Amino acid sequence: GAGVSQSPSNKVTEKGKDVELRCDPISGHTALYWYRQSLGQGLEFLIYFQGNSAPDKSGLPSDRFSAERTGGSVSTLTIQRTQQEDSAVYLCASSLVSGGEETQYFGPGTRLLVL
Amino acid sequence: GNSVTQMEGPVTLSEEAFLTINCTYTATGYPSLFWYVQYPGEGLQLLLKATKADDKGSNKGFEATYRKETTSFHLEKGSVQVSDSAVYFCALNQGGKLIFGQGTELSVKP
Repeated sequence: GAGVSQSPSNKVTEKGKDVELRCDPISGHTALYWYRQSLGQGLEFLIYFQGNSAPDKSGLPSDRFSAERTGGSVSTLTIQRTQQEDSAVYLCASSLVSGGEETQYFGPGTRLLVL
Repeated sequence: GNSVTQMEGPVTLSEEAFLTINCTYTATGYPSLFWYVQYPGEGLQLLLKATKADDKGSNKGFEATYRKETTSFHLEKGSVQVSDSAVYFCALNQGGKLIFGQGTELSVKP
């Protein structure tokens, strides 16, 4: 079956502009996660959604970052007033449920470059 | 807080050599542990996992045993291939979110 898909695959933007990154999880997966992979910080958790529960936003680096998940499926990560340090690969993952044993399946990522 | 530490890379081996990539963790309780692999130009894939102490995860000839006494989850393979060249990430699950180590790049030469 289809895996996690993300769009766009690459995004170049100017400092100060807003960007939206999209994630389509695996069908039937109730949990969805966003991570960021950068040279300086490695792989960092950003936010996750589980069903209708309030999202865990504990990893968001600043209030310029936000995410929503509509209809329990597609998610959008929005970065407002982008800065050069936001340049990274943004990874989305999904799992059947949110739990300690659950395998998270990752998408190919969106490579963001802020000029 | 919880954390994961991996041996630094890059690791360069000849084909058929024995591989060990060390991973230790700091955690409250006994979280599930994972190894993910990222092949060149590809996304993160689960390699193996272990959900409780003394469990051994295995896949594609790779193995790792959950050792609570030493808080370790070292990755091993008896005979590496060129196709194993990739970046390997150790991770633990903390309340649903993954905490990753910094990654270890493996390069296998023919």
